Amino acid sequence: QSALTQPASVSGSPGQSITISCTGTSSDVGGYNYVSWYQQHPGKAPKLMIYDVSSRPSGVSNRFSGSKSGNTASLTISGLQAEDEADFYCSSYTSSSTLVFGTGTKVTVL
Amino acid sequence: EVQLLESGGGLVQPGGSLRLSCVASGFTFSSYAMYWVRQAPGKGLEWVSFISGSGFNTYYVDSVKGRFTISSDSFKNTLYLQMNSLRAEDTAVYYCAKGTGRVAASHVDFWGQGTLVTVSS
Repeated sequence: QSALTQPASVSGSPGQSITISCTGTSSDVGGYNYVSWYQQHPGKAPKLMIYDVSSRPSGVSNRFSGSKSGNTASLTISGLQAEDEADFYCSSYTSSSTLVFGTGTKVTVL
Repeated sequence: EVQLLESGGGLVQPGGSLRLSCVASGFTFSSYAMYWVRQAPGKGLEWVSFISGSGFNTYYVDSVKGRFTISSDSFKNTLYLQMNSLRAEDTAVYYCAKGTGRVAASHVDFWGQGTLVTVSS
């Protein structure tokens, strides 16, 4: 199972919106509405930000939103804030009943 | 409140063994699949293994098959990962994570703080 493909880095100024893509195959992203997104600050454990493509766990800001089209999922962060600077990983359920993670994207707030 | 507390990491020589533990609290342990996810230094996340809530079904990433064994003890609310024949490429922070389904999960929703495994001579 190959890792899902994400851009290595994305940046934006405070207040702007950015979008991170996550590309897989029909055996994972394209085959199920089970894409999730995690935020990881340096030295910390990942935190669930989006699940089932576009659902937000309780306590996660509505500045974070998710979508999917075909084999590509996307995470959009609107109203970018300094605290959003972190690594972001997508994940998908697969046809093997396992999970696969993305390659990771470093978000920089300029 | 869900809490996951890993332990058992450390420095081990190539070919050696370690057993990781993860004590869970705040949820009904046997009702959820549990996962081990690792992160090599400076690298991304990699799913390693998971076990169903019943403990009857286990899955492994190809690179650890035959070397790692996942197990759970519902009486102790504890997840384990027995790691044998360790290689340098197994060096990573190992996270315990809770799934959202009993047999397999569409995602993991809570993570432990991680335990570092270093394989080096």
